[in-house]
Amino acid sequence: AQTVTQSQPEMSVQEAETVTLSCTYDTSESDYYLFWYKQPPSRQMILVIRQEAYKQQNATENRFSVNFQKAAKSFSLKISDSQLGDAAMYFCAYRSPVGTSGTYKYIFGTGTRLKVLA
Amino acid sequence: AAGVIQSPRHLIKEKRETATLKCYPIPRHDTVYWYQQGPGQDPQFLISFYEKMQSDKGSIPDRFSAQQFSDYHSELNMSSLELGDSALYFCASSLAGIVYEQYFGPGTRLTVT
Repeated sequence: AQTVTQSQPEMSVQEAETVTLSCTYDTSESDYYLFWYKQPPSRQMILVIRQEAYKQQNATENRFSVNFQKAAKSFSLKISDSQLGDAAMYFCAYRSPVGTSGTYKYIFGTGTRLKVLA
Repeated sequence: AAGVIQSPRHLIKEKRETATLKCYPIPRHDTVYWYQQGPGQDPQFLISFYEKMQSDKGSIPDRFSAQQFSDYHSELNMSSLELGDSALYFCASSLAGIVYEQYFGPGTRLTVT
């Protein structure tokens, strides 16, 4: 069975500094997707970054980048130049390939609460 | 393996009409989640049910209501439809206590004209 593990329940970073959130996963599939979602107090799930497993190049979105190590099954998120608005819960998620029934599985990690200190 | 079933797959309604979306979870799953994904937007969590009781509530408009039935299927009722309600509506299911492992259905595309 697939699993997603976020071993850091809480992280703190000074404004303008860089922080890395860890995520490891386990799967026997070769074709899958990985995501980092941000969830502010409003409960809205905001997609931060997405990585297709078949792509070797690490995804980057402005100040957000990932370190995708497929063999090690590691998918960490680096936030550069942290801003106060980055404070939120961050969820790592795995999405399986679509099955024959049209269903796919999403597995979320337990989340990491990021605090940004002014 | 059985998957999450959503019906209808496509629905076209006019403004101010009512729509009902149905979700049939994977057998033995007792928790259902509803999400709304507008064009070019991230999925928004609407509401969830566990054992026929509302378990969590997100950004669900007051015009929408939902319920889970004794066979665990769920229906999302949307009234006084607005153009902005046009979106892809996903249903997901899980076993209670495993909220981080959700199985998503193919979605219902609602178009409001």
